[in-house]
Amino acid sequence: SQQGEEDPQALSIQEGENATMNCSYKTSINNLQWYRQNSGRGLVHLILIRSNEREKHSGRLRVTLDTSKKSSSLLITASRAADTASYFCATNSGGYQKVTFGIGTKLQVIP
Amino acid sequence: DAGVIQSPRHEVTEMGQEVTLRCKPISGHNSLFWYRQTMMRGLELLIYFNNNVPIDDSGMPEDRFSAKMPNASFSTLKIQPSEPRDSAVYFCASSPDSSYGYTFGSGTRLTVV
Repeated sequence: SQQGEEDPQALSIQEGENATMNCSYKTSINNLQWYRQNSGRGLVHLILIRSNEREKHSGRLRVTLDTSKKSSSLLITASRAADTASYFCATNSGGYQKVTFGIGTKLQVIP
Repeated sequence: DAGVIQSPRHEVTEMGQEVTLRCKPISGHNSLFWYRQTMMRGLELLIYFNNNVPIDDSGMPEDRFSAKMPNASFSTLKIQPSEPRDSAVYFCASSPDSSYGYTFGSGTRLTVV
């Protein structure tokens, strides 16, 4: 079953614009992670935010976490054509190390 | 570091045949995960190992699927007999611990005809 649900499912923007993707989840979590998947490739880990953190930055990426609303957002600033990919959120909860992935947001950045 | 290595990259087999997928995790990572990805169901966790021991295999679809991790550097996922509905991309991932994200392999695209 899917824990996280990304919104929107598809997003198309012009190069240079910002892209925002959202993720909602159902149960309490230890951490939430964002991944990118280029077509035909494996997933690449982008950023991990712990349940006691509210915001995290990595280069052009900004992730926020609101545990009261059980939601997270991923912001990509100054998007590039190379950012075209699917983006997944994944949640880790309970005492185990496994994470559960959402259905993903397909981002297209038009040059 | 060569990353997580999966083989083969592509596999086409006939229904009823046995299929074995292979994975070499990153050295030092103590957890290994097998996922299956399809358009209809997205990414599904099949099984995960910690220190070579299966911890959670609740995602394994049925008895036709089995997974082993005989040592810290090798794991296999076997499907016997294979069926057309097993067609998917199978990913292996490894992680040092729960404070870190996963490193995924490039996947094995399985087609059962």
